[in-house]
Amino acid sequence: EADIYQTPRYLVIGTGKKITLECSQTMGHDKMYWYQQDPGMELHLIHYSYGVNSTEKGDLSSESTVSRIRTEHFPLTLESARPSHTSQYLCASSEPGGANTEAFFGQGTRLTVV
Amino acid sequence: GQNIDQPTEMTATEGAIVQINCTYQTSGFNGLFWYQQHAGEAPTFLSYNVLDGLEEKGRFSSFLSRSKGYSYLLLKELQMKDSASYLCAVSNRWGKLQFGAGTQVVVTP
Repeated sequence: EADIYQTPRYLVIGTGKKITLECSQTMGHDKMYWYQQDPGMELHLIHYSYGVNSTEKGDLSSESTVSRIRTEHFPLTLESARPSHTSQYLCASSEPGGANTEAFFGQGTRLTVV
Repeated sequence: GQNIDQPTEMTATEGAIVQINCTYQTSGFNGLFWYQQHAGEAPTFLSYNVLDGLEEKGRFSSFLSRSKGYSYLLLKELQMKDSASYLCAVSNRWGKLQFGAGTQVVVTP
């Protein structure tokens, strides 16, 4: 079973609030990812990291930011939430290279901005 | 960049076989993955191909042709619980993992 955790699972907040979505993994994986997914729609890569102090933007432009100060932790922050940020955010991690590079997903955070 | 294409939806009856095709273009190839995602849940890993050929895992098999940028996922002896979205994902040499839009498989009695 994958050991990757996201908190909170559900969040409803008002417009303009600052929020941080937490993602932690205990597998020692170097690579971590954030995806955004609307109901019934595809997964869009918004951020990824190869390791500590390494972050890159994905192909879908996002107003969120990420940090990777520790291997196990990859939080995503929205400085000022807007209704357009309403979506599900999925965090994943995988090992670098090799045959076993499957990505393990957290359960997701369903964000609603009102 | 990476471009991944797969059909939007497929319907099949219980007990049948369904093949989901995926074509991709990527800068530097480091493996192709298939994931299953039930509505409202996180994706779960099904298979991984990095070399050409067929990988079999029980009722699920996945095939890869790197020269053609092509893969398929074969689901045999379909069960109602197999109704889900099946996602093709490609990793490039820098470890960037991107997903296709997914194929919704509907299994009917």
